[in-house]
Amino acid sequence: SYVLTQPPSVSVAPGRTATITCGGNSIESKSVHWYQQRPGQAPVLVIHNNNDRPSGIPERFSGSNSGNTATLTISRVEAGDEADYYCHVWDSGSNHHVFGSGTEVTVL
Amino acid sequence: EVQLVESGGGLVQPGGSLRLSCAASGFTFSSYNMDWVRQAPGKGLEWVSYIHSRSAPIAYADSVRGRFTVSRDNAKNSLYLQMNSLRDEDTAVYYCARDSGVVGSVDYWGQGILVTVSS
Repeated sequence: SYVLTQPPSVSVAPGRTATITCGGNSIESKSVHWYQQRPGQAPVLVIHNNNDRPSGIPERFSGSNSGNTATLTISRVEAGDEADYYCHVWDSGSNHHVFGSGTEVTVL
Repeated sequence: EVQLVESGGGLVQPGGSLRLSCAASGFTFSSYNMDWVRQAPGKGLEWVSYIHSRSAPIAYADSVRGRFTVSRDNAKNSLYLQMNSLRDEDTAVYYCARDSGVVGSVDYWGQGILVTVSS
């Protein structure tokens, strides 16, 4: 089965840029989605289809996908960005979904 | 406003059964594919099951195939998950989730319902 690999944690100072990676075999051939989950809350979609932002998501959130790595970038990080972030792909052939292991973002 | 509200969770003994429900409102339920996603305490997200808007095709994660059954009633705007032969490792918050229709992304999630499997 397809595996998505994320770093367990990322730390970033306020105002700086956080970069969260999601590794997968030839992931560039897939559409990657990203979710933010704050403690005790349901996940929220922040990027879909590699680099599209849903309505209401700040422009500070952006995504990219190339080779074997997809990336979520959070610019000008704020305290409110502290959360767990998950990458996600869907296999249209099997209708199976796969989530990454999640990355905890800590704002210093 | 899109709303997904889960119910039916609780404490069940290993080997027991439970049926989760998800009441959908604020959108045309019959037009959307739906999923169940779970999250064990302190762990990450795990996809459980998928069901097409017209009830087929259906897909399951290997960890639940043969024990869980997903279904829907479009007339009642409801999604269900019948869970049988429950194990300790099925303990988790279960989320009802709507596929956006954009290459499988999930655009709305319920608040989640806790299922605890323990003797």
